[in-house]
Amino acid sequence: DIQMTQSPSTLSASVGDRVTITCRASQSISSWLAWYQQKPGKAPKLLIYKASSLESGVPSRFSGSGSGTEFTLTISSLQPDDFATYYCQQYNSLWTFGQGTKVEIK
Amino acid sequence: QLQLQESGPGLVKPSETLSLTCTVSGGSISSSSYYWGWIRQPPGKGLEWIGSIYYSGSTYYNPSLKSRVTISVDTSKNQFSLKLSSVTAADTAVYYCARHDAAARPDPNWFDPWGQGTLVTVSS
Repeated sequence: DIQMTQSPSTLSASVGDRVTITCRASQSISSWLAWYQQKPGKAPKLLIYKASSLESGVPSRFSGSGSGTEFTLTISSLQPDDFATYYCQQYNSLWTFGQGTKVEIK
Repeated sequence: QLQLQESGPGLVKPSETLSLTCTVSGGSISSSSYYWGWIRQPPGKGLEWIGSIYYSGSTYYNPSLKSRVTISVDTSKNQFSLKLSSVTAADTAVYYCARHDAAARPDPNWFDPWGQGTLVTVSS
């Protein structure tokens, strides 16, 4: 099984901050990684696929990078709508999610 | 616009079988580019993939749940279903259905879109 580990688990930030979330895979997954945003009581929403491809309609302040075992999701300038929990998901071998990173208001 | 909607009992007794259906609207479940998946999320916790099915009936299951899971598809109704047997309190979760993209590679990739989710509580 491929394990996905996100850091930090919680992140406190202010509007306008640059935010970076890290996701590490227990073995190489090439670029087979997606990122999701989930707000309380709602289903996850796809943000990025294939590590760095932005899903249609997702604001350009979101970006993804990385390959192999280390990946990052960056929000260039945090907006009020971005306070949420973010999950990474690998699809190299079956499908597993990271434990999530909650972005909260500082 | 593709939409998915979960339905089924919100309360299941321990040792019984959890049964949920996902109805797909705004698109065909028989598309060659997609699988259809189930994911769950225990209250306050993270996401766990349960299994996925192709319109032909081909399935993938999470090895940790495989002995208890059956996913089936009904193309005439544009629906797919989940059965999870011998449930315990640990199976209490919000259950989501989602389209599982398989357009980019032979194996499925990411999940998009998702249904709104349905909370299933296991309790006597």
